[in-house]
Amino acid sequence: SAVISQKPSRDICQRGTSLTIQCQVDSQVTMMFWYRQQPGQSLTLIATANQGSEATYESGFVIDKFPISRPNLTFSTLTVSNMSPEDSSIYLCSVGRGSSTDTQYFGPGTRLTVL
Amino acid sequence: GENVEQHPSTLSVQEGDSAVIKCTYSDSASNYFPWYKQELGKRPQLIIDIRSNVGEKKDQRIAVTLNKTAKHFSLHITETQPEDSAVYFCAASIASGGSYIPTFGRGTSLIVHP
Repeated sequence: SAVISQKPSRDICQRGTSLTIQCQVDSQVTMMFWYRQQPGQSLTLIATANQGSEATYESGFVIDKFPISRPNLTFSTLTVSNMSPEDSSIYLCSVGRGSSTDTQYFGPGTRLTVL
Repeated sequence: GENVEQHPSTLSVQEGDSAVIKCTYSDSASNYFPWYKQELGKRPQLIIDIRSNVGEKKDQRIAVTLNKTAKHFSLHITETQPEDSAVYFCAASIASGGSYIPTFGRGTSLIVHP
């Protein structure tokens, strides 16, 4: 499995500000994904981070609110913009590994609280 | 798109009992079904997976079964232990752009009482 790290591990932010979350993988991967997990809830895919092109967003998520960068095959960032208390959640990155990139492995997550 | 239903939402068992979690999916094109275990405050960890060309897979005390015709799959944990207490998520995956994007169930909180 991949070794995946995220920064920060947690943060408390004020309404209206933005936070950028970093995801670093120990080896090159084709697919990187960003998920949101609200308290006590399941995992919801925000977007697929594509290297060299724009991210692909799922229904209900837009680039202006969640801009994503993928400058190389080991790193990605997710920004949560103009935050409101409803954005309080855990944000996880994941990578696809395996011969057919079907298995996803998750980073440790970033716990975000918006006041 | 794919829709995954997971039951029960909470499962309480005594140590040593078996636990079964069931999931159904809607898209017959799904062909990869992973199960994740998430302990409190930790990341989801893959514990077992099954592909659509296989009906059953076992790994020590855990097993997964798949019925493609009925579009349901189940996780079986035998001889449960307190450390099995966690939230378990099933997922169904469809290939997309060279990778498999899973749709997750809502999760089952398993509590194993010593």
